[in-house]
Amino acid sequence: GDSVTQMEGPVTLSEEAFLTINCTYTATGYPSLFWYVQYPGEGLQLLLKATKADDKGSNKGFEATYRKETTSFHLEKGSVQVSDSAVYFCALSGGGGFKTIFGAGTRLFVKA
Amino acid sequence: GAVVSQHPSRVICKSGTSVKIECRSLDFQATTMFWYRQFPKQSLMLMATSNEGSKATYEQGVEKDKFLINHASLTLSTLTVTSAHPEDSSFYICSAPGLQETQYFGPGTRLLVL
Repeated sequence: GDSVTQMEGPVTLSEEAFLTINCTYTATGYPSLFWYVQYPGEGLQLLLKATKADDKGSNKGFEATYRKETTSFHLEKGSVQVSDSAVYFCALSGGGGFKTIFGAGTRLFVKA
Repeated sequence: GAVVSQHPSRVICKSGTSVKIECRSLDFQATTMFWYRQFPKQSLMLMATSNEGSKATYEQGVEKDKFLINHASLTLSTLTVTSAHPEDSSFYICSAPGLQETQYFGPGTRLLVL
């Protein structure tokens, strides 16, 4: 079945460091890919998405490119801030039914 | 953007009691809603798919009689944890699908069963 694998955390960075969180997927067909962010004590919020190969999703300085050849959707940000500390979930959805499959989540800590 | 609310945000109850959690889509209609459970520092586990006007679809291993789901209208789904026990303590999150398979999540309900 479809699955999402993302790098284990926690990831600890200093402010202004470069961030990469790796995400790879397995899916039949052509799913849409997402990054969701969860701040402490809250539900998930959509961070960015890409619906087809080579699409780049971007928001709040974060970017991810849908790479069909490597089945990847790595999240990047050039300069992280303390306020970016959260848990980041890579996810895919496709094939109808709106069911979304989530990765395990990667916790990011950014130190001042 | 689309907003999904949950109520209550936090509930503490005694073992053996039942707890109802509401999930509402505030500015759009949702014929389908999803209920997830999240344990501390873990990912979301899909429990069931709530369908307006028909029975919910439960994921494997989720007890239907334990977690009752009612999708009463196009904007409201409820999850009732019946005869709650301490092991049911968790963070429950609902979502509703939007455009291009995006999910709009509620803020979550933290349940603590004593």
